[in-house]
Amino acid sequence: GAVVSQHPSRVICKSGTSVKIECRSLDFQATTMFWYRQFPKKSLMLMATSNEGSKATYEQGVEKDKFLINHASLTLSTLTVTSAHPEDSSFYICSARDDRETGNTIYFGEGSWLTVV
Amino acid sequence: GDSVTQMEGPVTLSEEAFLTINCTYTATGYPSLFWYVQYPGEGLQLLLKATKADDKGSNKGFEATYRKETTSFHLEKGSVQVSDSAVYFCALSRRAGGTSYGKLTFGQGTILTVHP
Repeated sequence: GAVVSQHPSRVICKSGTSVKIECRSLDFQATTMFWYRQFPKKSLMLMATSNEGSKATYEQGVEKDKFLINHASLTLSTLTVTSAHPEDSSFYICSARDDRETGNTIYFGEGSWLTVV
Repeated sequence: GDSVTQMEGPVTLSEEAFLTINCTYTATGYPSLFWYVQYPGEGLQLLLKATKADDKGSNKGFEATYRKETTSFHLEKGSVQVSDSAVYFCALSRRAGGTSYGKLTFGQGTILTVHP
């Protein structure tokens, strides 16, 4: 089946630094990808919709300047957490929609644990 | 806006017991419905899905039927195993083929623990 890979799976960074998380569709093209955030023992919250070649669409309450999304190719979207703070520590997970199919599964990455110290 | 409501957990069962996790939704039009499972420390895996009314999704002994009249998509399994212990999420997406397809609205998740 189709695979979406996220990297890194775990990252620890210092407060004030930036960290980039990659989301790749390995065997299909994805014009559209989605970024979610999950707090411990909570549900997933959609942060933004990533569109190849155009600006991401952010959900209400998500800071665009803090969570930079770049979808530079049909197989790669990146989420950069800028000037990270401990409250940004969370599980970030992406999903991708296969361009070849109109009604098929949305494929999720394995997720990335971010810890800001 | 769209929303998904799941029964609150946690749910604790003995092995071979019958499982039901209720899920109801609010959405305009004809959304696609999903159940995802998340094992400890891992990402989400699709368990099953249904894209139109009366469709039944099934996988690994789990089933759910898309009931438009009751706006429900309850998850069931006849005999659970210890390995089914995980968090289960009900989710919906706007209709397949639409530009919003894939933008998922999740329920709050239900923790299932199965004891031997």
